[in-house]
Amino acid sequence: DSGVTQTPKHLITATGQRVTLRCSPRSGDLSVYWYQQSLDQGLQFLIQYYNGEERAKGNILERFSAQQFPDLHSELNLSSLELGDSALYFCASSSTTATSTGANVLTFGAGSRLTVL
Amino acid sequence: AQKITQTQPGMFVQEKEAVTLDCTYDTSDQSYGLFWYKQPSSGEMIFLIYQGSYDEQNATEGRYSLNFQKARKSANLVISASQLGDSAMYFCAMREEETSGSRLTFGEGTQLTVNP
Repeated sequence: DSGVTQTPKHLITATGQRVTLRCSPRSGDLSVYWYQQSLDQGLQFLIQYYNGEERAKGNILERFSAQQFPDLHSELNLSSLELGDSALYFCASSSTTATSTGANVLTFGAGSRLTVL
Repeated sequence: AQKITQTQPGMFVQEKEAVTLDCTYDTSDQSYGLFWYKQPSSGEMIFLIYQGSYDEQNATEGRYSLNFQKARKSANLVISASQLGDSAMYFCAMREEETSGSRLTFGEGTQLTVNP
């Protein structure tokens, strides 16, 4: 158990629907990252939050949004789902953010597997 | 432009032998970090090893070592004494710092198979 909790583990839904993926970071970690892993795109960075604030943004679609709450858990909202959104969505956490020195290792959750039919 | 390149889609190694997984990177930053993660078939991402751009010595973690050649912009992972449980996908990643945040950019991965 990495200490990063993601729910749900599996989700099957239809095109056009909206889903919410939830992530609880490791205790003490202030930074949360979301990644999408699909067969054709590999591991793609979506967005980073640090202590409730958005800090870095990747190729996140406008149909997707995220936030980090005061208790540091984060949610990734995916709307108007398309077949191509089927993927494994990872949340990762770390204790610090950008310009810190040192490793700033990201600890990943087990992922949420989304299937859009 | 591809920032992390893993040129070996698949690699095979005999149990108890050593194997090197290649990774090259591209950056103009002076300060950066390089990581290797392992993803077994169960899907989780497991951190293996880290190398900072200013670290003068190659990183080692148990059976894992990182062959860091800064001038060549390569950060190859060496796994010694391979075990059957090492069969997995291996990802090289680079930390990119931004104004107020950071991200890890991953390569496409190398699928390692350890044969008995």
